This record gives sequence, C-alpha cells and structure tokens, in this order.
Amino acid sequence: QSALTQPPSASGSPGQSVTISCTGTSSDVGGYNYVSWYQQHPGKAPKLIIYDVTKRPSGVPDRFSGSKSDNTASLTVSGLQAEDEADYYCSSYAGGNLGVFGGGTKLTV
Amino acid sequence: EVQLAESGGGLVQPGGSLRLSCAASGFALSGFSMYWVRQAPGKGLESISFITSGSYTTHYADSVKGRFTISRDNAKNSLFLQMNGLRVEDTAVYYCVRDLRGDCMGGSCYPGYWGQGTLVTVPS
Repeated sequence: QSALTQPPSASGSPGQSVTISCTGTSSDVGGYNYVSWYQQHPGKAPKLIIYDVTKRPSGVPDRFSGSKSDNTASLTVSGLQAEDEADYYCSSYAGGNLGVFGGGTKLTV
Repeated sequence: EVQLAESGGGLVQPGGSLRLSCAASGFALSGFSMYWVRQAPGKGLESISFITSGSYTTHYADSVKGRFTISRDNAKNSLFLQMNGLRVEDTAVYYCVRDLRGDCMGGSCYPGYWGQGTLVTVPS
C-alpha cells in the first residue's frame, strides 16, 4: 500500500476558502467511499474531522467539508480562521483494516 | 469523556523490547475496535496495528509484522503493544486510538479518538 499524495503546503487568508487534495488510485480512494481527514496542531494528537468522504463527527464546524471525484479526495475549509492553521492528513480504506494515510499538508492561514 | 492514556515509551537500544500500555476511560473498551498509530519525528501518520473488540481479528502493517503484537484486556480497560526487535526506524510517537463508532471491519473503520501519545526512541 503506497501513501496517498497530498500537496506539502497550502495557504489562505482569514475568511477565504482553501481546498486540499488527496490523490490515490482505484485500489483505495477511487474504489471506496471510505475517505477520512485529520487535523493536527503542533505537538498535539490528530483529530478526526471528516469520515465517509463527507461526514463530520459531532463538534466539527461545518466550515470543513469533504468530497471525492474518481481517485482524488478533497478537503475544503471555508471561512478560514487562525485556528485552522495545522497539518491535515487524508486517509483511505485500501483493504484490510489499517487504511493508508497521505503525507500531510501544512495549512498556513 | 473519552480518554486514552499511553505509557511505556522510552529509550531502547536496537534489538530491544518495549511494551506500551493504553488506559482507557470514559467508555467501555469492550465495545470498540482499537488501533496503534505512530508518527516518526517530523513525519506523517502510519497505522501499524488493529484489533477488534473481542480480539478475534488483528492486523499489522508490513513494517512491524512479526515483531509487534497487539493485545487487550477489556476487563481492565487496557490496550497493549508488545514491541520486539526494535529498529532505528521504529522511533516515533505511538498513539493509542479508539474506533469512531464501535467494533468494525473493513472500510467502516475510522481511528476516531486519540490519546496524547508516548515517544519511543531507538538510537542509531
């Protein structure tokens, strides 16, 4: 299982929207609707913010949204806020139960 | 409130062993699949092991297969990771993680609640 491909960095100004891509193959992202996204602030544990491609766990603001087209999943953060500055990781089911992660994207606000 | 507290990390020489523990509180461990996920310094996330609620199914990443063993004691609300044959490349923060929704198999499994992690260092 190869890691999913994410851009190393992304940026936006407060109030703007930014989209982070996550590219895989037909064996992972493209083959299943089991994509998730995690937010990680420096020195902190990751936090699940999107699962099942588009669903948000309780307590996650609706400024965070997910989508998928073919082998590429995307995370969009709307109305950027300073606290959104963090690393973001995508993950996809790829057979088995461990999933595969992307390399991460550092979002600068 | 779901809480996961890892312990047992530290400095260990190549070839050595460590046993990580994870104390769960705020929920009944017996109802949930669990994971160990690690993160090397400055690197991304790697899911290395998974276990179903009743220990019937376990999975390991190729990078640790044959060296690491995941186990659990539901009566004591505890998860474990026995790490043998440690290598320099095993240096990482190890996170204990609970599944988002319960016991799971296949694609519906999501590492949903994370502990703060414990650092394992294997020097070169």
